[in-house]
Amino acid sequence: EAQVTQNPRYLITVTGKKLTVTCSQNMNHEYMSWYRQDPGLGLRQIYYSMNVEVTDKGDVPEGYKVSRKEKRNFPLILESPSPNQTSLYFCASRLQGAYEQYFGPGTRLTVT
Amino acid sequence: EDKVVQSPLSLVVHEGDTVTLNCSYEVTNFRSLLWYKQEKKAPTFLFMLTSSGIEKKSGRLSSILDKKELFSILNITATQTGDSAVYLCAVDTSGGSNYKLTFGKGTLLTVNP
Repeated sequence: EAQVTQNPRYLITVTGKKLTVTCSQNMNHEYMSWYRQDPGLGLRQIYYSMNVEVTDKGDVPEGYKVSRKEKRNFPLILESPSPNQTSLYFCASRLQGAYEQYFGPGTRLTVT
Repeated sequence: EDKVVQSPLSLVVHEGDTVTLNCSYEVTNFRSLLWYKQEKKAPTFLFMLTSSGIEKKSGRLSSILDKKELFSILNITATQTGDSAVYLCAVDTSGGSNYKLTFGKGTLLTVNP
C-alpha cells in the first residue's frame, strides 16, 4: 500500500532532550516536506527536500534539522526541544512534476 | 511573502444546507490550488485546480478557481454530519528550486443533525 509513515505518533518529552521523528515513504517520491500545525496558525512548512542530499528551509525552520540520506526517509531532528515546539507535525511527499501531496498520519509532540 | 486567506474561519450549519467556503491568495509563483479535508488526522486530498473557470466536482462537493481575481470556492451541497471537518486551502508555489505549499488557516465546518 502506498503510504507515508511517521514514528512515533505521540511523544511527550522534556525541554532539551534531543529527539528524532522519522518519516518514510514507499512511493519513490522525490519531494518530501515537514509541516507543523498549531491552532489558529494552520499548517506551516518547516523544511523540505527535493531529492537525496537536497534540503532547504521552509517558513519556520528555527530549532529543527533534517537530513535526506536516502530517498525514502526524511527524519526531523529537534536537537534541544523547547515548549514552543509542542505541536502536531506532518510529513508529506510528492512525485516530482505531480500535484497531489501525500500526508503521513501526524506526530503529536508535547515538550514540557 | 505568499499569503492564503480562508473565510469564514468557522461555520455551523444544519444537515441539508449548502455551504460555500472561500479561499483568496496572493503569491508570487502560482502553480496550483489544492483543497483538503481534515478530520482530526492527516489532511485528505479533495481537489486540485490549475485553470480558471473549470469546475471540479466530486459527489456533493465542487470547486472552482478564478485566477484573475485570485480566489477559489469550495461548495458543499446537501451537507451531512460526516462533512464536519476543517477544510484547508493550499497554494502550490513550487518552482525549479523549491517545493512549497502555503496553507490557509482553514475553515472549521460543523454540520448539526
